[in-house]
Amino acid sequence: EDQVTQSPEALRLQEGESSSLNCSYTVSGLRGLFWYRQDPGKGPEFLFTLYSAGEEKEKERLKATLTKKESFLHITAPKPEDSATYLCAVQAGAGGGADGLTFGKGTHLIIQP
Amino acid sequence: DAGVIQSPRHEVTEMGQEVTLRCKPISGHDYLFWYRQTMMRGLELLIYFNNNVPIDDSGMPEDRFSAKMPNASFSTLKIQPSEPRDSAVYFCASSPGLAGAPGTDTQYFGPGTRLTVL
Repeated sequence: EDQVTQSPEALRLQEGESSSLNCSYTVSGLRGLFWYRQDPGKGPEFLFTLYSAGEEKEKERLKATLTKKESFLHITAPKPEDSATYLCAVQAGAGGGADGLTFGKGTHLIIQP
Repeated sequence: DAGVIQSPRHEVTEMGQEVTLRCKPISGHDYLFWYRQTMMRGLELLIYFNNNVPIDDSGMPEDRFSAKMPNASFSTLKIQPSEPRDSAVYFCASSPGLAGAPGTDTQYFGPGTRLTVL
């Protein structure tokens, strides 16, 4: 069974204080690892997809990295508007066709001014 | 593009009543997914469709749940009869194409339907 564990569950940072969120996964044949951002009362918003170990992607103050067992979401000099819940998900399987995502429970990030 | 559209945004009903949630995927997307989010279990996949055909419904919790996709632009998730433990936020998502094809496998989520069963 595919499993995704995110840590910490919650994180409070001061504005400008950089940190990293962790996503550990076990999956039979990783097809892709996804990061989403979710604001209260809204649907998850896509951030990144990573496909193979060693891959990195960046968007503004966020950088996602991937190893064979985990992914990190690095947040550099965060601002209050970066406050949200960050969700990690894996897509498994080696066959053709899209499968659903298996999500972690998320990291609730608060950036204080 | 309007994105994935879901209706209603909020639904309050009494135990035993039938509930129908609706979804309009992004035009041109071949895959449609239904997820449920609760505090205890997080986001869970219920069922997904490819070209209007159900592919995997192993996440549907009970026979009380059913989903249909009569055409490429509309899907429904029905709960009959509803129970208090069905209270959750239900999300619909769509993606353009095959997994593993960069840029085509991203799932785009709708705003969700918050269901409360009293």
